[in-house]
Amino acid sequence: GAVVSQHPSRVICKSGTSVKIECRSLDFQATTMFWYRQFPKQSLMLMATSNEGSKATYEQGVEKDKFLINHASLTLSTLTVTSAHPEDSSFYICSARVPSTGGFWPQHFGDGTRLSIL
Amino acid sequence: AQKVTQAQTEISVVEKEDVTLDCVYETRDTTYYLFWYKQPPSGELVFLIRRNSFDEQNEISGRYSWNFQKSTSSFNFTITASQVVDSAVYFCAQHSLNTGNQFYFGTGTSLTVIP
Repeated sequence: GAVVSQHPSRVICKSGTSVKIECRSLDFQATTMFWYRQFPKQSLMLMATSNEGSKATYEQGVEKDKFLINHASLTLSTLTVTSAHPEDSSFYICSARVPSTGGFWPQHFGDGTRLSIL
Repeated sequence: AQKVTQAQTEISVVEKEDVTLDCVYETRDTTYYLFWYKQPPSGELVFLIRRNSFDEQNEISGRYSWNFQKSTSSFNFTITASQVVDSAVYFCAQHSLNTGNQFYFGTGTSLTVIP
């Protein structure tokens, strides 16, 4: 079945570092990918919608200059947390939409990236 | 607006007990999809079930069963004869074509099964 690979699974780095997270669709082309953030004991909240070949659409309250999204190919979207600070520590999950001719477009989630900023 | 409510924040049951996780959703769309995901401590989301808004048939899969009641906008999830491995956070979610395909997740229910 469709698989989404997210890398790295865990990152620990110093404050001020920029961190890149990759989301790959392994056996399908994904024109649309989504990035979610989950703080401890909270729900998943959509950060942005990543569209191949165009600018990402950010949800209200998400700083686009802080969270850079690049969807340069049909199988890869990247999220870069620039100049990360401790408050950016969170669990980041991507999902990729599987093309479908029917009314429902399945989405598959990556396994998430646990980001810890010291 | 789309909204998913899981009123139960934490539930603890003793192994072999049955447990029902509640989910209530809000939507103005006539076509939508409802999901349940399991999130173990490792963090990944494990897909459990998808239901579309036109199919109110209840479903059973092993020890899992789901009750979809459109009249009350509920999509409850029951685990029969719970096991320690069922301990996880469970999310109910809604997805609609009219809202850009994004998922709206509930706040999750943390289930602890005590041996």
